[in-house]
Amino acid sequence: GENVEQHPSTLSVQEGDSAVIKCTYSDSASNYFPWYKQELGKGPQLIIDIRSNVGEKKDQRIAVTLNKTAKHFSLHITETQPEDSAVYFCAANGGNYGQNFVFGPGTRLSVLP
Amino acid sequence: GAVVSQHPSWVICKSGTSVKIECRSLDFQATTMFWYRQFPKQSLMLMATSNEGSKATYEQGVEKDKFLINHASLTLSTLTVTSAHPEDSSFYICSATDNYEQYFGPGTRLTVT
Repeated sequence: GENVEQHPSTLSVQEGDSAVIKCTYSDSASNYFPWYKQELGKGPQLIIDIRSNVGEKKDQRIAVTLNKTAKHFSLHITETQPEDSAVYFCAANGGNYGQNFVFGPGTRLSVLP
Repeated sequence: GAVVSQHPSWVICKSGTSVKIECRSLDFQATTMFWYRQFPKQSLMLMATSNEGSKATYEQGVEKDKFLINHASLTLSTLTVTSAHPEDSSFYICSATDNYEQYFGPGTRLTVT
């Protein structure tokens, strides 16, 4: 089955700096890779996603890149703000347009003012 | 984006009692809903996949007789934790999908005393 690894587990950046979180997946059939932001005591919120036919996607300060050959994808947050502080989870769908996501272990991002 | 609600947001119950958690998709019809469990500082672990009008598919290690799932309509799925014990205390989160994307509810914190 699919296995998703995520690094780093914790990340601290100064406000205004960029943050990068990387994930690797094992199942080459996976074709959908979402990123979720989870604030304390709340459910995960979808912030950006990418499909396997695209190499990069951007939405304002957030971007995701995908390298299918290497089976890794990354989340990039630019001009970080204190409200970006949260736990971020990547996920992969295991292929065949499946909806049973496998989540990475999460990255706790702290943006220091 | 699509909105998923959960009720209750938190519940405290005594050991041996049962607790029902509701998950609703508010502005879309969800043929598939998912139930996750999340322990503190850990990732989301899929418990079961619920399809409208059919039996839920449980992940390995999840007791189907303990965690009863009903998906009676395209907008409502329920999770009943039967004969709850302190080790069942956790954050339970549902999600609903309208296509590729999964939208998560705000979660229900269950504490069993």
